Amino acid sequence: ELQLVESGGGLVKPGGSLRLSCAASGFTFSSYSMNWVRQAPGKGLEWVASTSSSSGYIYYADSVKGRFTISRDNAKNSLYLQMNSLRAEDTAVYYCAGDPLGYCLDASCYRHSYGMDVWGQGTTVTVSS
Amino acid sequence: QSVLTQPPSASGAPGQRVTISCSGSSSNIGSNFVYWYQQLPGMAPKLLIYKNNQRPSGVPDRFSGSDSGTSASLAISGVRSEDEADYYCAAWDDSLSGWVFGGGTKLTVL
Repeated sequence: ELQLVESGGGLVKPGGSLRLSCAASGFTFSSYSMNWVRQAPGKGLEWVASTSSSSGYIYYADSVKGRFTISRDNAKNSLYLQMNSLRAEDTAVYYCAGDPLGYCLDASCYRHSYGMDVWGQGTTVTVSS
Repeated sequence: QSVLTQPPSASGAPGQRVTISCSGSSSNIGSNFVYWYQQLPGMAPKLLIYKNNQRPSGVPDRFSGSDSGTSASLAISGVRSEDEADYYCAAWDDSLSGWVFGGGTKLTVL
């Protein structure tokens, strides 16, 4: 069974930091591009960041650029999101999601996505004083 | 304000056909594939349609996707009570170099 399990969420003060983890099992993690998608309370989905299978192509939403860092360890089947300088508007459920995109040959590879077909259950991040 | 525009709500009686629209621009839907996700209450999203009109295995053929120019649509034929959920469209945006989602459409089965 394809599975993603997020962890690391919690309550943090504005300006603080948090590191989210996502553990993958049941599929070839190293063949998947990976994404973080968040959902603020009562709101819609918002893409946060993506990394290709070999970390060669990484992209961020403007709202988190310079504050968040996505990374992965294929040997550990794990995805991470380092979140710094957190703001109240970062409060959300954070989902990791995988796309069986395979190896990216160039920056346009995401245009050929197969969709985010495996999702975790989400981890909640609350930024409040 | 989402980059992709969806109606906030849609509804239909059981057995009816319901369509949900998604409007974008030349940098996203106009040049890239569209994806649709279903989010049941309290659950994580689930991929429903990929590459405009392809269904992952296990997704009923009641669900279909189409696109035309800078817009796309999700159709649900013979809607059922278990289809009550939020539906999101998404596409890669070449100008933003990132994924963009619609604001979501809440489907109510009457």
